[in-house]
Amino acid sequence: VQLVESGGGLVQPGKSLKLSCSASGFTFSSYGMHWIRQAPGKGLDWVAYISSSSGTVYADAVKGRFTISRDNAKNTLYLQLNSLKSEDTAIYYCARMWGDYWGQGVMVTVSS
Amino acid sequence: DVVMTQTPVSLSVSLGGQVSISCRSSQSLVHNNGNTYLSWYLQKPGQSPQLLIYKVSNRFSGISDRFSGSGSGTDFTLKISRVEPDDLGVYYCGQGTQYPYTFGAGTKLELK
Repeated sequence: VQLVESGGGLVQPGKSLKLSCSASGFTFSSYGMHWIRQAPGKGLDWVAYISSSSGTVYADAVKGRFTISRDNAKNTLYLQLNSLKSEDTAIYYCARMWGDYWGQGVMVTVSS
Repeated sequence: DVVMTQTPVSLSVSLGGQVSISCRSSQSLVHNNGNTYLSWYLQKPGQSPQLLIYKVSNRFSGISDRFSGSGSGTDFTLKISRVEPDDLGVYYCGQGTQYPYTFGAGTKLELK
């Protein structure tokens, strides 16, 4: 099982970014997936979940601004981040539904 | 939201020693299906979190039997026996019983 995130970077407040998580080594379409973030020096903060049937759930802090989606043909999970705030600065991890496998994370920095 | 309270914040241990970490939830973690979705993770410096224990007491694949989880309802414990250098890092408990998924603030395990 391998999960590889990409798409992070430095972005100004109010702007957008799209993260990707490429999955391999398992039947991606059969599993729900999470995005979990970790602000610098802080603990873990669950962001969003998408089920195998593409049902979604979001943390209140990102509801209406972030969108989780998946492309099973490409074995890829996405997180669209809109209206970014400084408090969204964090390492963003994708993780398989039971938290059994995590990616290496991608850094998102929101700053002017 | 379910608040996860971990104690202690940090622990100093000698190699070969034993430690316990406590995790208490603000609500029962027993799901409607009868399962209790309490997990333990270890985050080593510079790495992603890795799953150690799921559903209170089940060791994830490849995890040493030096790690054991116990508890029920709202009160849970992770025990680590015969501590090795590779066990050092930050331990998190996390609940997956209800959304939003939440984590404890972490317990840092250091060498004495």
